[in-house]
Amino acid sequence: NAGVTQTPKFQVLKTGQSMTLQCAQDMNHEYMSWYRQDPGMGLRLIHYSVGAGITDQGEVPNGYNVSRSTTEDFPLRLLSAAPSQTSVYFCASSRLTGGNEKLFFGSGTQLSVL
Amino acid sequence: AQRVTQPEKLLSVFKGAPVELKCNYSYSGSPELFWYVQYSRQRLQLLLRHISRESIKGFTADLNKGETSFHLKKPFAQEEDSAMYYCALLIYNQGGKLIFGQGTELSVKP
Repeated sequence: NAGVTQTPKFQVLKTGQSMTLQCAQDMNHEYMSWYRQDPGMGLRLIHYSVGAGITDQGEVPNGYNVSRSTTEDFPLRLLSAAPSQTSVYFCASSRLTGGNEKLFFGSGTQLSVL
Repeated sequence: AQRVTQPEKLLSVFKGAPVELKCNYSYSGSPELFWYVQYSRQRLQLLLRHISRESIKGFTADLNKGETSFHLKKPFAQEEDSAMYYCALLIYNQGGKLIFGQGTELSVKP
């Protein structure tokens, strides 16, 4: 049981490049989400999904796209990377029963945009 | 506005001293609050949730709706408690989303 798997662990991009951060979970969780972690800002929600085919914006969605074609996968796309997107990105998932389920986090992706 | 505030970036205490990590929230609905912890080189994980009224690793947190607070407390800090602590608020919207505070780094010195 792998839990929540994020790839890659590290990535360096040039301004304007695009890339996709991958997130997969094998726990059949309905809920998946992406956060970015920045010093002094804590964790900020980028996008989330409550099931396949359903996504919604979080607190800081600009510059990021997501899709949820399967229950297992929730990729995060940066279409044109900017230095302001340098951050550590975390994917998280949970069951969706009453909203009180704990989140399971991935190990994070450290992204640098030059 | 929905918001979680942790006013202290860093809290440093000596082993055996009491610890209180502050968390205040702003939410018009009925709040459901959590504490998550990130130990060095480990993943973020749930520490406790207010609805369970539980004590985990000696930590407790009481929801005070009058003061809109959910402070995390431990009577005697241990060195292994050193970590980053995040307070989180569940927002009920299309299934719910969790928003986090800025985090407090707890350092317990020997």
